[in-house]
Amino acid sequence: DAGITQSPRHKVTETGTPVTLRCHQTENHRYMYWYRQDPGHGLRLIHYSYGVKDTDKGEVSDGYSVSRSKTEDFLLTLESATSSQTSVYFCAISESGTGGNGYTFGSGTRLTVV
Amino acid sequence: RKEVEQDPGPFNVPEGATVAFNCTYSNSASQSFFWYRQDCRKEPKLLMSVYSSGNEDGRFTAQLNRASQYISLLIRDSKLSDSATYLCVVNLYGGSQGNLIFGKGTKLSVKP
Repeated sequence: DAGITQSPRHKVTETGTPVTLRCHQTENHRYMYWYRQDPGHGLRLIHYSYGVKDTDKGEVSDGYSVSRSKTEDFLLTLESATSSQTSVYFCAISESGTGGNGYTFGSGTRLTVV
Repeated sequence: RKEVEQDPGPFNVPEGATVAFNCTYSNSASQSFFWYRQDCRKEPKLLMSVYSSGNEDGRFTAQLNRASQYISLLIRDSKLSDSATYLCVVNLYGGSQGNLIFGKGTKLSVKP
């Protein structure tokens, strides 16, 4: 039941290069989120979207940008990757803007910046 | 005070044991509450919602105490497959953390 898929699943990139991660959903949910998860920090929100072309910053948005040109796709771009952006990135989707039904997460992208 | 706090554990218990996790949240305006389960190197998955009257799903029981602002998860007759990290999640509409606030998780290890 892959209603949400992330690509790539793993990526190794060099410091200073741009990187784009993709989140694709087939559930037609309005809300989409990008999180990063690091040991000792838990899940931290990077950016989220509340509709096509409607996005907003989360608590750790510096160094990241997003775009949502279609309901089903939410892209996360690291403009110039740094070693501190080595992390596991999760995309999530939600029907409700209040989070009342919880989120569904993608399988994650493991990004290593060397 | 952090928005959602959990004991990080690890909780190491034998098979068949009963184990309880607690979680406290700081904002009394929160309206929805969840427990998520996250296996090692996997995504978080919704385990169960938490309702004011308390709710049960098989061996799992979740309770909410709004007055004290805490949520609990009880696992009875622990199985090896219950080994995972359990995330307490609370909704709070708006803000830079988004609509769902995630605790850092409590790690459970069930031993034979």
